[in-house]
Amino acid sequence: NAGVTQTPKFRVLKTGQSMTLLCAQDMNHEYMYWYRQDPGMGLRLIHYSVGEGTTAKGEVPDGYNVSRLKKQNFLLGLESAAPSQTSVYFCASSYGYNSPLHFGNGTRLTVT
Amino acid sequence: GIQVEQSPPDLILQEGANSTLRCNFSDSVNNLQWFHQNPWGQLINLFYIPSGTKQNGRLSATTVATERYSLLYISSSQTTDSGVYFCAVEPYSGAGSYQLTFGKGTKLSVIP
Repeated sequence: NAGVTQTPKFRVLKTGQSMTLLCAQDMNHEYMYWYRQDPGMGLRLIHYSVGEGTTAKGEVPDGYNVSRLKKQNFLLGLESAAPSQTSVYFCASSYGYNSPLHFGNGTRLTVT
Repeated sequence: GIQVEQSPPDLILQEGANSTLRCNFSDSVNNLQWFHQNPWGQLINLFYIPSGTKQNGRLSATTVATERYSLLYISSSQTTDSGVYFCAVEPYSGAGSYQLTFGKGTKLSVIP
């Protein structure tokens, strides 16, 4: 049972490049989330999904897009990376509303 | 939005000592969770505890929702307890907002 798996673990981008982060969960969870963690800021919600085919904006959605085509996968896209998007990105999932959140191991992204 | 304050921001303990971490929040909540981020960056869910008391081994947590605070107790601390402890809450809004707001964390260092 792998839980929540994020790929890649590390990535370096140049300003303006695009990329997609993949999150996969094998716990049959309905809800999935993308957070970013910056020093001194705690974790902030970027986008989330409450089920296959649904997405919604979180606290800091600008510059990101997401898709949930399959229940087990939640993709985070950066169309034109900016240095301000340098961060550690965490994917999380939960069984339902008001259920414990389970995190992946994170992706460290650097934009130069 | 809801404010989440964690104290103390930093804590250094001798191995074997006990500690209490506090989380204050500014509004009624229907979701409160505690997480431990280890030195390798992994986020582990410790407790889902919107109210009441729970225990898991050497760790226990109490949330007094009416007074808007939660406490995390660590007894007989070990070096593996080192890391950052986060409290995260979702304000009560009648309908789920699915957005946990994280505090800035308490950094715990347990020295042998």
